[in-house]
Amino acid sequence: AQTVTQSQPEMSVQEAETVTLSCTYDTSESNYYLFWYKQPPSRQMILVIRQEAYKQQNATENRFSVNFQKAAKSFSLKISDSQLGDTAMYFCAPQGAQKLVFGQGTRLTINP
Amino acid sequence: NAGVTQTPKFRILKIGQSMTLQCTQDMNHNYMYWYRQDPGMGLKLIYYSVGAGITDKGEVPNGYNVSRSTTEDFPLRLELAAPSQTSVYFCASSNMASRSEQFFGPGTRLTVL
Repeated sequence: AQTVTQSQPEMSVQEAETVTLSCTYDTSESNYYLFWYKQPPSRQMILVIRQEAYKQQNATENRFSVNFQKAAKSFSLKISDSQLGDTAMYFCAPQGAQKLVFGQGTRLTINP
Repeated sequence: NAGVTQTPKFRILKIGQSMTLQCTQDMNHNYMYWYRQDPGMGLKLIYYSVGAGITDKGEVPNGYNVSRSTTEDFPLRLELAAPSQTSVYFCASSNMASRSEQFFGPGTRLTVL
């Protein structure tokens, strides 16, 4: 079974600052992928970034990057130059053979 | 493409009533999923399907049923609604299970009183 821990229930930063959201997970699967999804107040779930566990290189998507430490089973999300539109719940989600397992989320607020 | 659509957007049920949440995707995805999200929590998998005619239980299947007669549709049936089923329900679909992004519908907010 997969478990996910997001240890920061809430975070708040000023616009343009850099923020890092933490995630640790446990899985018995050898081949898996890791995702970060955001859920803004609209409630829509939106993919932020994806990491393939067999790749050592950390994924990057514009202002979003991850720090993937496979041995430590850690998958943190860094948001650079944060913007007001980044305000949302962020969920870490490892995916094994067929299923995503979601963490409890981190509520991120970007202040003007 | 509309993506993943869900109906209704909101619903209030009385205890013991039944209803079906509809989910349709127009991306020809084989995999479809139903999740529930309780307040302040992440999403929990209720049921999933890897193709028409094939369904399997997720983490929290009790009180729900599903069917998958077509690639496009994956309805979720609530029998004998209970207050514990008050939640937001999301349907999602993906092309391939493990490495593909899941595309989510807008959700259905269900209240059972």
